[in-house]
Amino acid sequence: QKEVEQDPGPLSVPEGAIVSLNCTYSNSAFQYFMWYRQYSRKGPELLMYTYSSGNKEDGRFTAQVDKSSKYISLFIRDSQPSDSATYLCAMGANAGKSTFGDGTTLTVKP
Amino acid sequence: GAVVSQHPSWVICKSGTSVKIECRSLDFQATTMFWYRQFPKQSLMLMATSNEGSKATYEQGVEKDKFLINHASLTLSTLTVTSAHPEDSSFYICSALGAGNTEAFFGQGTRLTVV
Repeated sequence: QKEVEQDPGPLSVPEGAIVSLNCTYSNSAFQYFMWYRQYSRKGPELLMYTYSSGNKEDGRFTAQVDKSSKYISLFIRDSQPSDSATYLCAMGANAGKSTFGDGTTLTVKP
Repeated sequence: GAVVSQHPSWVICKSGTSVKIECRSLDFQATTMFWYRQFPKQSLMLMATSNEGSKATYEQGVEKDKFLINHASLTLSTLTVTSAHPEDSSFYICSALGAGNTEAFFGQGTRLTVV
């Protein structure tokens, strides 16, 4: 069983929809939780970073971490075609060293 | 966020040759750098962790004699793929972590194709 499980999708939504992306994990030592956006043939771009449990909001993006359930989420409000990309969850017990999910490919249709 | 530059962005080499990939932190000192590999439609897999001035720590299953990592300064780490074979073709990505920081920043990746 993988340490980090992420639904690979693909996920297709109309413009303006609310998108929900999720990951579950099994390692209780994880305390750093990240969401990255990756465009084709590019390196990952950090979207959200959360330490331990809780919610974090940045513009149209909200990240939630529930350590008791070992479950993290990323919500995208008012989704735009430019949000079309692969979204990767990542987490780790130590700063910088991350275990990644498989990524969810999102397409936002105009 | 901080800037990490990776070079080259893509490279094609012949089977049996060696390829060096550079990862530079441009505006901060990276005490730790991480090297990942990503195969098509798969996620990033950590290959090794390198601390400046120390030998790299490799993940299980990664051949340290094939993937040579050097982290000789606080702004530069290199990954050399020795005697490359077609199965080494992949997307190689580095990330860099500064002292006291909790976020590592990624380079733009290097696409290696071995023919």
